[in-house]
Amino acid sequence: EAQVTQNPRYLITVTGKKLTVTCSQNMNHEYMSWYRQDPGLGLRQIYYSMNVEVTDKGDVPEGYKVSRKEKRNFPLILESPSPNQTSLYFCASRGLNTGELFFGEGSRLTVL
Amino acid sequence: EDQVTQSPEALRLQEGESSSLNCSYTVSGLRGLFWYRQDPGKGPEFLFTLYSAGEEKEKERLKATLTKKESFLHITAPKPEDSATYLCAVQARNMLTFGGGTRLMVKP
Repeated sequence: EAQVTQNPRYLITVTGKKLTVTCSQNMNHEYMSWYRQDPGLGLRQIYYSMNVEVTDKGDVPEGYKVSRKEKRNFPLILESPSPNQTSLYFCASRGLNTGELFFGEGSRLTVL
Repeated sequence: EDQVTQSPEALRLQEGESSSLNCSYTVSGLRGLFWYRQDPGKGPEFLFTLYSAGEEKEKERLKATLTKKESFLHITAPKPEDSATYLCAVQARNMLTFGGGTRLMVKP
């Protein structure tokens, strides 16, 4: 089954404690992306990657890092989380020649 | 800066009562306009892609249309299972910009 898998699905952490949200896709997609979704602000793009070792900033990259060492994986790293990073995070992927994004189920992060 | 505005923010319909959702956009170099459906606690699910003004796409009770400045998602004779948030997004370059969504509630 084609899918995008994120882990963890739910996480409560404290300010400053580094965390990583993993994302894996099994569709051999070149393009992968991270979004955050907040009430009243909609979905906003954090980072995206066009292929292995190629990453670019989206609209709200501050406080986040990503890496793309393998085609299937695109982890999101919060080096020093702060309460304003409390949000619902989505990973998504697509082929380079299509616009249809496949989304993961989401990771709800709370930073105290 | 690319902008996408969806209206209304929320819409309540009776089962069978047809209506339309609006997505207005400003973008430099539109590569595509996308409609997604999002159920509570889930990731958005792809519905349609429209590429040029005048294009239309249909799927069951949904029909999406596109002009140079806006897109409509028409819902014909909706059922309670159509209740969800509908998201519109535009693609320019390699990024998608999403609107705030329309939360649709269909009562039996």
